[in-house]
Amino acid sequence: AQSVTQPDIHITVSEGASLELRCNYSYGATPYLFWYVQSPGQGLQLLLKYFSGDTLVQGIKGFEAEFKRSQSSFNLRKPSVHWSDAAEYFCAVLPSGTYKYIFGTGTRLKVLA
Amino acid sequence: NAGVTQTPKFQVLKTGQSMTLQCAQDMNHNSMYWYRQDPGMGLRLIYYSASEGTTDKGEVPNGYNVSRLNKREFSLRLESAAPSQTSVYFCASSEGAGYTFGSGTRLTVV
Repeated sequence: AQSVTQPDIHITVSEGASLELRCNYSYGATPYLFWYVQSPGQGLQLLLKYFSGDTLVQGIKGFEAEFKRSQSSFNLRKPSVHWSDAAEYFCAVLPSGTYKYIFGTGTRLKVLA
Repeated sequence: NAGVTQTPKFQVLKTGQSMTLQCAQDMNHNSMYWYRQDPGMGLRLIYYSASEGTTDKGEVPNGYNVSRLNKREFSLRLESAAPSQTSVYFCASSEGAGYTFGSGTRLTVV
């Protein structure tokens, strides 16, 4: 079955530390890939997206993600986390030829001062 | 400001009551979606509309109906609310390059 997996439900990092959030998908072909962020009580905001081409994509707020076809992964990274990055992060895919995005269950990030 | 507008932001219903959640976008997007978000379950697709005049079921359509009134508006109706429909509901629109989400409707059914 098609799925998106975010294996880490919660992650805690210290401010200034690096961050990597994991996302794996299972589809026959490479889908369109997205990362969203949701601050408490807010809707979801698009951080970055991958359609094709360069496998390292840059997004807003200093985030980047790397697509690895061999691992079916699209991990989100940030070199130095800020307290304002505390939020929930969702990976999503849009399988080719469809209109239905599939979301992972999210990773909640806590940042320690 | 351009974006997706949802109304109301908060609602409390009694079991068996009906209501309609409204959603409008001003980005001329063809596709619109309704999701529900529950703790530990991420976002689950209720219904979507790939273009004006079409609607399709998503992952969890039972207990809901939708209307794509025109290109801008996509409403979600609960005919007979149940406590299991207590959730946060998000509307989104897309033109294939990622969603734009509304700010959500927090619905409680008692």
